[in-house]
Amino acid sequence: DGGITQSPKYLFRKEGQNVTLSCEQNLNHDAMYWYRQDPGQGLRLIYYSQIVNDFQKGDIAEGYSVSREKKESFPLTVTSAQKNPTAFYLCASSIQAAGRHYGYTFGSGTRLTVV
Amino acid sequence: GQSLEQPSEVTAVEGAIVQINCTYQTSGFYGLSWYQQHDGGAPTFLSYNGLDGLEETGRFSSFLSRSDSYGYLLLQELQMKDSASYFCAVRGVGTDKLIFGTGTRLQVFP
Repeated sequence: DGGITQSPKYLFRKEGQNVTLSCEQNLNHDAMYWYRQDPGQGLRLIYYSQIVNDFQKGDIAEGYSVSREKKESFPLTVTSAQKNPTAFYLCASSIQAAGRHYGYTFGSGTRLTVV
Repeated sequence: GQSLEQPSEVTAVEGAIVQINCTYQTSGFYGLSWYQQHDGGAPTFLSYNGLDGLEETGRFSSFLSRSDSYGYLLLQELQMKDSASYFCAVRGVGTDKLIFGTGTRLQVFP
C-alpha cells in the first residue's frame, strides 16, 4: 500500500541536542512538506520541497534544516537553535499538477518533547 | 501577509447540519482546501475549491466565493465520528504550498 511514513512516533530531546525526524513516501509524489502543530493550534509550515535537491523555507524555518536527496525522503533536523521545539511534527506529500489540487497525504506524525 | 479566520469551536447534535466558515486574506490565492483531524491523528484531505461555487462529496460540501474571500464547509447528517478539528487552508499561486487556519473544533452530541 502506498503511503507516507514518519518515524519515530515519539522522540525525546535533551537541551542542546540535534535530532532528526524521518519522513518517507512511496506515493511517487514530487512535493513534500514539514509542518509543526502546537496544542490547539493550526499547522505552521517549516520547509517544503517541490523537487529533488531543492527546498524552500516556510513561515517558521529558524532552528530547522532539511535535505531532499531522494524523491522518497525528506528528513527534518531540529537543531539546538530551535528554542521551543516541543510540538507535533507532520510530514506531508502531494502531486504537483498545474491547476487542480489533489490534497496532501499526511504521515502519522512525530511527537517531540524536550526533556 | 496571509491570514485565515475560522471559529474556534462549534457544537451540534447527531443528524444535524453544521457550517464552518473561513475567511482569508492572502497576497496570492489559488484555491481553498479543507482537512479533518481527529485528536492525536493526522489531517486528512476533505475537499478543494479552485473555482467559485459548491463542491459536494457525500455528506460534506465546500463552498468558495473568491470575491468575498470566503468559504465554508457544510457537514450534513452529522455523526458522532465527525467530532474532530476542521482546518481550512489556502493554496498560493504557482505552488501546492498550503497555509492553514487555526482550526475549528466540532463536537457532536447524541
